[in-house]
Amino acid sequence: EAGVAQSPRYKIIEKRQSVAFWCNPISGHATLYWYQQILGQGPKLLIQFQNNGVVDDSQLPKDRFSAERLKGVDSTLKIQPAKLEDSAVYLCASSLDPGKVSYNEQFFGPGTRLTVL
Amino acid sequence: SQKIEQNSEALNIQEGKTATLTCNYTNYSPAYLQWYRQDPGRGPVFLLLIRENEKEKRKERLKVTFDTTLKQSLFHITASQPADSATYLCALERSASKIIFGSGTRLSIRP
Repeated sequence: EAGVAQSPRYKIIEKRQSVAFWCNPISGHATLYWYQQILGQGPKLLIQFQNNGVVDDSQLPKDRFSAERLKGVDSTLKIQPAKLEDSAVYLCASSLDPGKVSYNEQFFGPGTRLTVL
Repeated sequence: SQKIEQNSEALNIQEGKTATLTCNYTNYSPAYLQWYRQDPGRGPVFLLLIRENEKEKRKERLKVTFDTTLKQSLFHITASQPADSATYLCALERSASKIIFGSGTRLSIRP
């Protein structure tokens, strides 16, 4: 079974530039998550999709971050404009429909390491 | 809001010994508590889950305990090996699909 795919793996940009990350979840997984992981910290949820609808985006800085999941499969996360404090690893994860399982095991991609100069 | 605390310091253990990692939380008890492993440059990988009505769960050399009175979970690796060196994350799940992660504990097993 193929895992969660993310690209690019690394990205270096200057502040005020824009950047986009792509995620392809495991086939059949209804739920998709984007996390931000700053060095030395645990993953922090930015946005959660159930199919192509947003379930939780309470911690997404909406003035600069946006995300979409067209057709309930792939997803993109965009930052525009980037700030120095956005330097982090951006992790995508997916899981089965919570209504079909008794607990939520999340499967993570390798992440995109973003450096903002 | 819910807070999760894990051993802030890195843990260094001699090979063959038992490593014990701690996860403490405040406020409400989660429905589930999960443990993940994260290696450098990779995403977290699910290891074990324990439900709020369970006291202990085992999987091979791994054991997790859950004390809702103390609001604490302990994660044990017995007969530790250098390959067990990684960061271990505790995660609380209150309701289906919403998980909050701790900051993790870095474990090093020396030969």
